[in-house]
Amino acid sequence: AQSVTQPDIHITVSEGASLELRCNYSYGATPYLFWYVQSPGQGLQLLLKYFSGDTLVQGIKGFEAEFKRSQSSFNLRKPSVHWSDAAEYFCAVGATSGTYKYIFGTGTRLKVLA
Amino acid sequence: GAVVSQHPSWVICKSGTSVKIECRSLDFQATTMFWYRQFPKQSLMLMATSNEGSKATYEQGVEKDKFLINHASLTLSTLTVTSAHPEDSSFYICSAHRGRYEQYFGPGTRLTVT
Repeated sequence: AQSVTQPDIHITVSEGASLELRCNYSYGATPYLFWYVQSPGQGLQLLLKYFSGDTLVQGIKGFEAEFKRSQSSFNLRKPSVHWSDAAEYFCAVGATSGTYKYIFGTGTRLKVLA
Repeated sequence: GAVVSQHPSWVICKSGTSVKIECRSLDFQATTMFWYRQFPKQSLMLMATSNEGSKATYEQGVEKDKFLINHASLTLSTLTVTSAHPEDSSFYICSAHRGRYEQYFGPGTRLTVT
């Protein structure tokens, strides 16, 4: 069965430091992968997505993610974190069977220290 | 583009009453919309898939008689929580499907049942 794992429930980084949020997936074929950010009390905003092609994907707000098939990973990175990046981050994979459903990871809550 | 709205953003209702939440795709048509439920500090749980002109498809364990979904047009889906109880208090988020595996999320509706 498909699944998405975000191993880190909480991450704290200092402002200006680099960031990497981990995401591992279980899927038989080439997956459709997404990273979303949710600010407190808000809906989800798409940061970036991977469907095919270049395995390094650029997104909004200076984020990027790299698809590594051999590791079944799609980690999110940012070279320099801003205080406004504090939020909940969700990794998701598009489910099979043409239902267009997503399977979400459990999320990683990012705290940024001034 | 690809804006999804929800109304209301916050609703308080008394136990035993029903409440309707609207989800609208403002600048695109969506034959498929999704309804999620999110508990505090947790991930999104898919409740049901809403298809325009047909019955919704509910996920296992979701009470279809309690959570009534109607997808009356290509831009509107509604979720009605019937006979609400305090345990139904939650953050409800909708999304609209567009293109290939892309979902655009609404800002969410916070339901508080007293």
